[in-house]
Amino acid sequence: SAVISQKPSRDICQRGTSLTIQCQVDSQVTMMFWYRQQPGQSLTLIATANQGSEATYESGFVIDKFPISRPNLTFSTLTVSNMSPEDSSIYLCSVAGTGATETQYFGPGTRLLVL
Amino acid sequence: RKEVEQDPGPFNVPEGATVAFNCTYSNSASQSFFWYRQDCRKEPKLLMSVYSSGNEDGRFTAQLNRASQYISLLIRDSKLSDSATYLCAVFTGFQKLVFGTGTRLLVSP
Repeated sequence: SAVISQKPSRDICQRGTSLTIQCQVDSQVTMMFWYRQQPGQSLTLIATANQGSEATYESGFVIDKFPISRPNLTFSTLTVSNMSPEDSSIYLCSVAGTGATETQYFGPGTRLLVL
Repeated sequence: RKEVEQDPGPFNVPEGATVAFNCTYSNSASQSFFWYRQDCRKEPKLLMSVYSSGNEDGRFTAQLNRASQYISLLIRDSKLSDSATYLCAVFTGFQKLVFGTGTRLLVSP
């Protein structure tokens, strides 16, 4: 499976500010995804990051709040905009396997605390 | 009804015990199923994929029951290191994985 890294690994931010999370993969992948895992909860898909086009957002998530970039096949960013304490969560990127594309592998996550 | 449901546990078992978790799903058209393991403060790691009736890997066996729309994970000869949260995930199409809330397993000496 691909090696996935995320930066930052954790951050503490003030409400009203924005944070951009980076996801880097060591090989080209077609599908990249962004998830949120709130404390004690499971993973919720935020959006699919599409290379060369706008991200596809799931119900309840909008581009103004979570803008996503995907400039190439190895990199993506997720921005959490105008943060509030409710945005405190772990944000994870994942990539689909090159063979079985329904299999996903996760980055180490970014732990965000908003004060 | 949630798309994917799991018993949150925790399941407390002694070392060497056999333990099984179930995961139910609502979309009868789902074709691919997965078990992930998540340790505290870590990312989910793929444990097993289940595409047909089942899959076995060492002490771990995953089974699929399409008629009743559930998958199960059986762990034999539990080790202390098996303590973790086990997440069930269902591929619903449109390149979308839906996760259950996870089942927490605690293996004690």
